[in-house]
Amino acid sequence: GNSVTQMEGPVTLSEEAFLTINCTYTATGYPSLFWYVQYPGEGLQLLLKATKADDKGSNKGFEATYRKETTSFHLEKGSVQVSDSAVYFCALGDNFNKFYFGSGTKLNVKP
Amino acid sequence: DTEVTQTPKHLVMGMTNKKSLKCEQHMGHRAMYWYKQKAKKPPELMFVYSYEKLSINESVPSRFSPECPNSSLLNLHLHALQPEDSALYLCASSQDDRAGGGYNEQFFGPGTRLTVL
Repeated sequence: GNSVTQMEGPVTLSEEAFLTINCTYTATGYPSLFWYVQYPGEGLQLLLKATKADDKGSNKGFEATYRKETTSFHLEKGSVQVSDSAVYFCALGDNFNKFYFGSGTKLNVKP
Repeated sequence: DTEVTQTPKHLVMGMTNKKSLKCEQHMGHRAMYWYKQKAKKPPELMFVYSYEKLSINESVPSRFSPECPNSSLLNLHLHALQPEDSALYLCASSQDDRAGGGYNEQFFGPGTRLTVL
């Protein structure tokens, strides 16, 4: 079956630190992979996506590469800002219009 | 227009009330979704509509009744809810491109914060 595993949070960093949030998946078939961000009291916003192996998604300084050999899609950012504080969800999309979400990782960035 | 809108933003209801949540998108998406999200948890899929037909029901209790009147609108009718149904209810939409092998991103609305007393 399909599933996503994310690193436990919260992750607390100082401003301008390097960010990695680990995400691994199990899947049947060839899924697409996504990172979503959720700010307090809001819905989920798409941060980036990758639709096939070796694709790199990027947006707003965040990057993630679809690695089939390690079944991973780790989120990285070179220099985080206080405004990046939010909950980040890794998700897998199958070919039946169904998403599988990781448990979410809360990021706290301190000035 | 790349927005999914949801109304109301907040809803408080008693266990004997009947209410409805509404969702609308004008992106031409043919798949629409209802999710339930409890605090500090990921969204849980409830229903999926594809081309206005219910395609997935994740064994949701019958006190939740979805409706898709047309390709832009999605409703969730609520009746005789329980306090444990209090949550953030999220609507989402996406292209439905399964025939082409596309697994498209879902666009989420801001949600309705539901409290059942």
